[in-house]
Parts: sequence; structure tokens; C-alpha cells
Amino acid sequence: GAVVSQHPSRVICKSGTSVKIECRSLDFQATTMFWYRQFPKQSLMLMATSNEGSKATYEQGVEKDKFLINHASLTLSTLTVTSAHPEDSSFYICSVGGQGYTGELFFGEGSRLTVL
Amino acid sequence: GQNIDQPTEMTATEGAIVQINCTYQTSGFNGLFWYQQHAGEAPTFLSYNVLDGLEEKGRFSSFLSRSKGYSYLLLKELQMKDSASYLCAVSPWDSNYQLIWGAGTKLIIKP
Repeated sequence: GAVVSQHPSRVICKSGTSVKIECRSLDFQATTMFWYRQFPKQSLMLMATSNEGSKATYEQGVEKDKFLINHASLTLSTLTVTSAHPEDSSFYICSVGGQGYTGELFFGEGSRLTVL
Repeated sequence: GQNIDQPTEMTATEGAIVQINCTYQTSGFNGLFWYQQHAGEAPTFLSYNVLDGLEEKGRFSSFLSRSKGYSYLLLKELQMKDSASYLCAVSPWDSNYQLIWGAGTKLIIKP
């Protein structure tokens, strides 16, 4: 399966600052990457689908101006949480689709964001 | 609408067997997945079912009944490391890897 690396794994920032999270597909050219958010004891919530070379597709209710996604290459997608607030504190996970099974996903390690 | 239901939490004993159920109602169906997620970590793939029946993979097995919109994950010879959340997810479309996720079942293993 695909190897996906996510960085940073943990980040603490002050309210009002911006935080960038990187997602790299190390051995697979990913034209599509997915960004999820997971609050404690809740399921994964798809935030957006990141498409290489084009604009990301955001799910309903997700502010595209707040969660900036850039997918400039087949191996890198970034999520920037702009002007972060405490309610943005969450576990952010990226994934890429694998070959073979439709829908099988390979996940990055996740990034724990804490906004003070 | 799209809906996936699974129990919130289950408790089992080390060495025993546990079955985690999942029911779904989706606009289409192109397969059902089970993922394991340890606390603070990303999910890892366990199984995929698209046809009715039982798929066995070591200590883990997954069953699907499409007519009933029902699946279960069966874990045998439970080990302490199996303590985790188990997520049921359905692919309602035939492409694009987008899944509908259940809320997950937290499995607690006791000695």
C-alpha cells in the first residue's frame, strides 16, 4: 500500500496564528488526497478533497477561506488553518486512495492541533 | 440520507471472541470497510467486503449482507493490543475513494 507521511504530528499555537500541515505521499503519485478532521470520541469528518493542480473541493460547512488547501504536486498537499481559534483544536488526518480496492485509503499519521 | 450505525463501546475479555456490528443505509453501495484506530493515531485498514459472505484474515473476519445492510467484524483470540476503536465505512460510489464513516466502536479488552 501507499506510504503517507504527515507533518507536524503535534502543534500548539496561539489564537489568531496560522498553522500549516503537510501531507506527503512517499511512494505513490496521488492525484487526489483527502483531509479529515476528527474531534475526540467522534468519527472522521471529511473536510475536503485535494486535487493536484486544481482547486480543492470542500464539504458543506467547511470554510474554504479558513482551511486553505494546496496540492501543487503529485506527492504533496498542504492544509493551512488560518487565524486559528480554540474551536479549531482537533486531530487532522490526510489520506490517499490506494490501488486495487476502490475506496481503500492510506492515512498519514495525523496532526494534533491545539490552539490556546 | 446516508447513515451508518455501530455501537459506541464494547468490552471483552482477553482471549475471548467479540463481534462488532454495523448497519448502513446509503444511496449506493460499492463496498464496506473496517478500519482500526488506536487512540491518537490514524486509522489502519482491516478489511473490505463487497460481496455477501465472510472474509477471514487471521484473527479477524468480516461479514457482509447487502440485502440487510449489515456487516460485522469478528475478532478472535483477543489480545490487549486489540483495544482500539473500530470504524465501519461504506463506499457509496464507484470511484473517488470517498467513504461514509460510522462513529466507531471503542473496544475495551480486560485481562
